[in-house]
This record gives sequence, C-alpha cells and structure tokens, in this order.
Amino acid sequence: NAGVTQTPKFQVLKTGQSMTLQCAQDMNHNSMYWYRQDPGMGLRLIYYSASEGTTDKGEVPNGYNVSRLNKREFSLRLESAAPSQTSVYFCASSFQLAGGKNIQYFGAGTRLSVL
Amino acid sequence: GEDVEQSLFLSVREGDSSVINCTYTDSSSTYLYWYKQEPGAGLQLLTYIFSNMDMKQDQRLTVLLNKKDKHLSLRIADTQTGDSAIYFCAETGDSSYKLIFGSGTRLLVRP
Repeated sequence: NAGVTQTPKFQVLKTGQSMTLQCAQDMNHNSMYWYRQDPGMGLRLIYYSASEGTTDKGEVPNGYNVSRLNKREFSLRLESAAPSQTSVYFCASSFQLAGGKNIQYFGAGTRLSVL
Repeated sequence: GEDVEQSLFLSVREGDSSVINCTYTDSSSTYLYWYKQEPGAGLQLLTYIFSNMDMKQDQRLTVLLNKKDKHLSLRIADTQTGDSAIYFCAETGDSSYKLIFGSGTRLLVRP
C-alpha cells in the first residue's frame, strides 16, 4: 500500500518555465490537497479538492492551477515559475468523517527550486 | 482569522520528557491534531483530540487541551533520539476540509 505518491521528488526550473507536479493516492480518499512549506511558515494550503470533480482555492493559490483528474490523482501546475515559488510542495489526501474529523495523509514532498 | 502558534525550538536530553505547546484562535475547531515531520519526509499524524476532551493518552504521548485558554500541548515521555523531528499542531479550519497548521516546533533530543 503506497499511500500518497508524489512525482518528481526534486526539480529545478528557470524563471518562466512551466511544470506539473503529480500526486496519486491509493486509499480511496475523497479529498486531496496541495500545500507548500517554507521555512518558519508551516504548511500553507494552495488548493484542495473536496471530492472528484471539484476544486477550491486555499490560502495561497496565485500562480498555480490544479486538476482533479480522477478520484486518485490531483495535479498542481505552475504555468510560469517564479523564484518566489521555490518551496517544498506536499500533496495530501483525506477521508472526511462525521463530526468534522479530517485525518490527512501526506506524500514525501517535491523540492522545487526556481532560478 | 484563524491562527496557530508554536514555539520554534525545543532541546531535551534523552530520557527526559518533552512538552511542545501550541495556541490556536478558532474556538469552533472540533478536532486538534499533532503531526510529526522527520527530515526529508512528509507529515505523519501522531495523534488528535476531540474538542470536548481535556486529555488523551496514547503510549508515550499525552495531549492536553485547555479549551478556555485555547492551548494545546503534546507531552512525549522518555524522549528518544528517534523523536527528533519537527512537530506541527493543526486545527480544523473554517471548513472541515481544511486544516490550519502552526509553523512547527523543532525538537532536538541530545544523547
């Protein structure tokens, strides 16, 4: 059972280049998330998908787009990378339970540098 | 707005207890969570507590919740070098689909 798988693990881009970060989960979870982690700032939500076919903006969506390709896969696209997007990106998935319990499972992260 | 605050760093000696503290602002949070992040890895859920509980114990971990003061703590008994990691506190956001994370506390366990 792989859990949440992210590809690639590392990536270096030049300013203005585009790329897509891939995420897949095999736990049959309804919801998926993209976060970025910057030093001293914890995790900030970029976009999330509450269920297949829906996506919503999080705290820091500017410069990103997402696609919920199917229940398993949720991709994050940078159309024109900027140095401010240098960060570690985490994908997560969860299954919402009654009463608001939201246990999120995380991938190992993608380390992105934009030069 | 929603905010979760933690101290940045804690250093303890192996075998001692560690206490990591967290304050949050959203009194309507139904669940509060503790996650652990080891170097180069993603976050792993350690434990969580329902907001109507004061305490939850799980082996070496004890979570204390003071809802009046919006204060959450994680106590790790008999801290080991393998406990060295970053610990994140999180609360439910304005939607049950969202978690709001603190900035993380880096725990260093000295031999």
